[in-house]
Amino acid sequence: NAGVTQTPKFQVLKTGQSMTLQCAQDMNHEYMSWYRQDPGMGLRLIHYSVGAGITDQGEVPNGYNVSRSTTEDFPLRLLSAAPSQTSVYFCASGRGLGELFFGEGSRLTVL
Amino acid sequence: KQEVTQIPAALSVPEGENLVLNCSFTDSAIYNLQWFRQDPGKGLTSLLLIQSSQREQTSGRLNASLDKSSGRSTLYIAASQPGDSATYLCAVVTGANNLFFGTGTRLTVIP
Repeated sequence: NAGVTQTPKFQVLKTGQSMTLQCAQDMNHEYMSWYRQDPGMGLRLIHYSVGAGITDQGEVPNGYNVSRSTTEDFPLRLLSAAPSQTSVYFCASGRGLGELFFGEGSRLTVL
Repeated sequence: KQEVTQIPAALSVPEGENLVLNCSFTDSAIYNLQWFRQDPGKGLTSLLLIQSSQREQTSGRLNASLDKSSGRSTLYIAASQPGDSATYLCAVVTGANNLFFGTGTRLTVIP
């Protein structure tokens, strides 16, 4: 009963490096999204997808890319990491306008 | 732009006390409202989902109400326990199931 699985849980990058945060769900949800959580600012939406092949920007999309080639997977790519991208990243999935289920989070530090 | 505010930011209560957490939002055009619990270093656990047409939802010792016209929701926790200690997040859903989060209320229940 995996639900929403995020990898890695922890990552340290140097400025300018690239990486991909992985998110997979096994509930056949059409909706998936990425949020970042920063102290004092709450969670903010980065990108979201309403189905395979469909993605759109959220509130804070700059510096991040996404793609959705399958229903199960929704990776988040940082092309050139910056210290401002130090944060905790959460992936979520859901069906329609119903309840959202979150992963355990990926803690990223950019030096 | 939707803004979600949670008051108080932190709350300490003795075990057994009933308590109310408050959430307000600026744009009443929402599809639903969701309350989450977050333990330190962990992901978000969905507690209650209230559709925009509903006034309240109950789960065990938790009761959430929604007054969409006034832009307010409350989470009532009965007979609090030390295990209830966590951060409680309120989020409203706009189009495409995108959530706008408050910054949370950090609850401590003292044995």
